[in-house]
Amino acid sequence: EDQVTQSPEALRLQEGESSSLNCSYTVSGLRGLFWYRQDPGKGPEFLFTLYSAGEEKEKERLKATLTKKESFLHITAPKPEDSATYLCAVRAPSGSARQLTFGSGTQLTVLP
Amino acid sequence: DGGITQSPKYLFRKEGQNVTLSCEQNLNHDAMYWYRQDPGQGLRLIYYSQIVNDFQKGDIAEGYSVSREKKESFPLTVTSAQKNPTAFYLCASSTTRLAGGTQYFGPGTRLTVL
Repeated sequence: EDQVTQSPEALRLQEGESSSLNCSYTVSGLRGLFWYRQDPGKGPEFLFTLYSAGEEKEKERLKATLTKKESFLHITAPKPEDSATYLCAVRAPSGSARQLTFGSGTQLTVLP
Repeated sequence: DGGITQSPKYLFRKEGQNVTLSCEQNLNHDAMYWYRQDPGQGLRLIYYSQIVNDFQKGDIAEGYSVSREKKESFPLTVTSAQKNPTAFYLCASSTTRLAGGTQYFGPGTRLTVL
């Protein structure tokens, strides 16, 4: 069974204090790892897709990296507006090729 | 603007009632999905559809029903058989091309059972 574990569950940072969120996964034949941002009471907003180990993608203060067992979302010099829950999901060949398995998320709070 | 709309934003249901949540997309996506989100848990797949007039059960389909009569629309009915329906419901859509497949989400519907 595909599993996705995100850590920590919650993270509080001071503005400008860089850190990383972790997403570890156990799947057979990864077909994509997805990062989303979710604000309270809203739908998830797509951030990145990573397909193979060693791949990296960046967007503003966010950088996502992928290894064979985990992905990291690095946040550089965060601002209060980066506060949100960050969700990780994987797609694997098992079951429908279209299904995603989600982690439970990391709730990030950036204090001014 | 292309996107996914869900209505209503908030929905209140009395026990024993069926309610229908609306999901519409104008992204020309073939695939559509319904997820349920509970506090502290990841999104769980209820139903998905890859083509009009066809849909499959996800991990937690019991107590729910769907239809896919149009490419743009994928309504979800929460029936009285669903024992604990209070949750945040999210609709998503994606292309079915192998090179794509990223799921994009709507704004969600919060359902509360009174």
